[in-house]
Amino acid sequence: LAKTTQPISMDSYEGQEVNITCSHNNIATNDYITWYQQFPSQGPRFIIQGYKTKVTNEVASLFIPADRKSSTLSLPRVSLSDTAVYYCLVAQWGYSSASKIIFGSGTRLSIRP
Amino acid sequence: EAGVAQSPRYKIIEKRQSVAFWCNPISGHATLYWYQQILGQGPKLLIQFQNNGVVDDSQLPKDRFSAERLKGVDSTLKIQPAKLEDSAVYLCASSLAGGDDYEQYFGPGTRLTVT
Repeated sequence: LAKTTQPISMDSYEGQEVNITCSHNNIATNDYITWYQQFPSQGPRFIIQGYKTKVTNEVASLFIPADRKSSTLSLPRVSLSDTAVYYCLVAQWGYSSASKIIFGSGTRLSIRP
Repeated sequence: EAGVAQSPRYKIIEKRQSVAFWCNPISGHATLYWYQQILGQGPKLLIQFQNNGVVDDSQLPKDRFSAERLKGVDSTLKIQPAKLEDSAVYLCASSLAGGDDYEQYFGPGTRLTVT
């Protein structure tokens, strides 16, 4: 099963772009890369998912190089409310089969005024 | 849309006692997951249900943990007997099936303390 490695913590300032990189060297062909955000005393919340190249939604972008051994979550113009733990995970999503979900250890992002 | 409901929110028990957690997923979500999250770590998947069938319980300590999902809706997770290392937050999540499972919706979790 693919294991993910992330920086333990990162600091940034309001209005800046933040990039969090995740390493998943043993990623399998059927694995997708997904990112979740978690605030204290809450369950994780879905941010974005991708398989390869670049994916963008209203809150973030996800960059995945051709070898798929890493991925980068990009948060544009962060605010204080983006202070949270961000998890990278790989999983094989599908119907009636095990998703084989592996969460990383998370990156604690702190945003300062 | 109502979210994933879990109860109780907090539970304190002594080691060797038993405990049960309840989860009510979002209506229409066929896939249900139970996770264990130890303080400072990422969630660890314990079991995944598709409707009322188990599709993955490879990381469930089956000598003490059990889970069921009757009628493909609510689910319960039980620990018997509990150990000190079971102290954690137990998260329930649900998602649509058919390849859209990646967007899981998590409940608030149950914080278990074993003394």
